[in-house]
Amino acid sequence: AQTVTQSQPEMSVQEAETVTLSCTYDTSESDYYLFWYKQPPSRQMILVIRQEAYKQQNATENRFSVNFQKAAKSFSLKISDSQLGDAAMYFCAYRSTNFGNEKLTFGTGTRLTIIP
Amino acid sequence: NAGVTQTPKFQVLKTGQSMTLQCAQDMNHEYMSWYRQDPGMGLRLIHYSVGAGITDQGEVPNGYNVSRSTTEDFPLRLLSAAPSQTSVYFCASMTTKKYGYTFGSGTRLTVV
Repeated sequence: AQTVTQSQPEMSVQEAETVTLSCTYDTSESDYYLFWYKQPPSRQMILVIRQEAYKQQNATENRFSVNFQKAAKSFSLKISDSQLGDAAMYFCAYRSTNFGNEKLTFGTGTRLTIIP
Repeated sequence: NAGVTQTPKFQVLKTGQSMTLQCAQDMNHEYMSWYRQDPGMGLRLIHYSVGAGITDQGEVPNGYNVSRSTTEDFPLRLLSAAPSQTSVYFCASMTTKKYGYTFGSGTRLTVV
């Protein structure tokens, strides 16, 4: 079974600065997807960014980028130019590409606080 | 498109009561699932379905039932509510033609 570990329960960053959230995972599969989800106080789960394991290039979405290290099974999220609206819980998640096993496995989350 | 619609948004139950959390999606997604979110534990899979008429257990299925009679609907039934089922419940759907899940807005359930 796959596991996802987020070792930072809480992080804080000064507005406009850069912060990196860590995520490691364990799997025996060679092809899979990795995701970062944001959960603001509204409770809605919002997809921030995704990475396909067979792609070596790190995914980017505007101010959000990942550092995907497949051999190390590491998938960190970098938020540049942090904004007050980035304050939220962030969850790392894993999904297999195997049919019938498309469930998401989540980490325990990192609460990000933005300091004005 | 409404996406994934969950009802109710809030619910308080007494121990031993039963209820059904509703989930509907209008995107013709094959895959639907239910998660519960507890502090410090992330989201854990309760039950999932890969298509109408097919369901299976996830990580924490005890005390919950599901059925999938149509592609659109995937209700979650609490048979006899217990305080340990106090949680936030999310329904999510996905098409296997793409990669990402669409989540409902969640149901906060309190069992007293």
